[in-house]
Amino acid sequence: GQQLNQSPQSMFIQEGEDVSMNCTSSSIFNTWLWYKQDPGEGPVLLIALYKAGELTSNGRLTAQFGITRKDSFLNISASIPSDVGIYFCAGSSGNTPLVFGKGTRLSVIA
Amino acid sequence: GAGVSQSPSNKVTEKGKDVELRCDPISGHTALYWYRQSLGQGLEFLIYFQGNSAPDKSGLPSDRFSAERTGGSVSTLTIQRTQQEDSAVYLCASSNLGAQYFGPGTRLLVL
Repeated sequence: GQQLNQSPQSMFIQEGEDVSMNCTSSSIFNTWLWYKQDPGEGPVLLIALYKAGELTSNGRLTAQFGITRKDSFLNISASIPSDVGIYFCAGSSGNTPLVFGKGTRLSVIA
Repeated sequence: GAGVSQSPSNKVTEKGKDVELRCDPISGHTALYWYRQSLGQGLEFLIYFQGNSAPDKSGLPSDRFSAERTGGSVSTLTIQRTQQEDSAVYLCASSNLGAQYFGPGTRLLVL
């Protein structure tokens, strides 16, 4: 079946640093989504990408839908302590179940 | 409601008992999904509804798991004769031809 490779698995960064994480897929997706999950909560949608090549920002977050439709990255600029959490990428082809990456666990050191 | 809601938020049960988990999707969302997340892991797809029908049940781990959706809205995931390996967070999401929005999950612990 479809699989997403998400990297890195975990990151430890200093407050104020920029962060980058990415996902690659063995197959093409029509939609790429990035979610953040805090402990004890469900994933919260950060950015949704619907078009190859699309670059979208949401505050300090920027994500891109790769031209090949098989990859996406998420950047976080000027990290702050509340950025701590697990970030998941997810891909979809239409109104179908999402395929999730295994997550990137982000720790921010103040 | 404003978002996806799930109940109960936590459930502790004894091995062998049946449990029912409920999901109320965002009003107007036609698609509803159930996922399972084990401790420290990613999300595992269980079943998907479009309206009241389930075009994809491929993720249900065994015949002890079933789900239904009525009125194109509320869904119930039932686990019969629970086993310890069923312990996980069960997440529901809904969508309307786009991004999926998740509920807070039900934390199930089977003793």
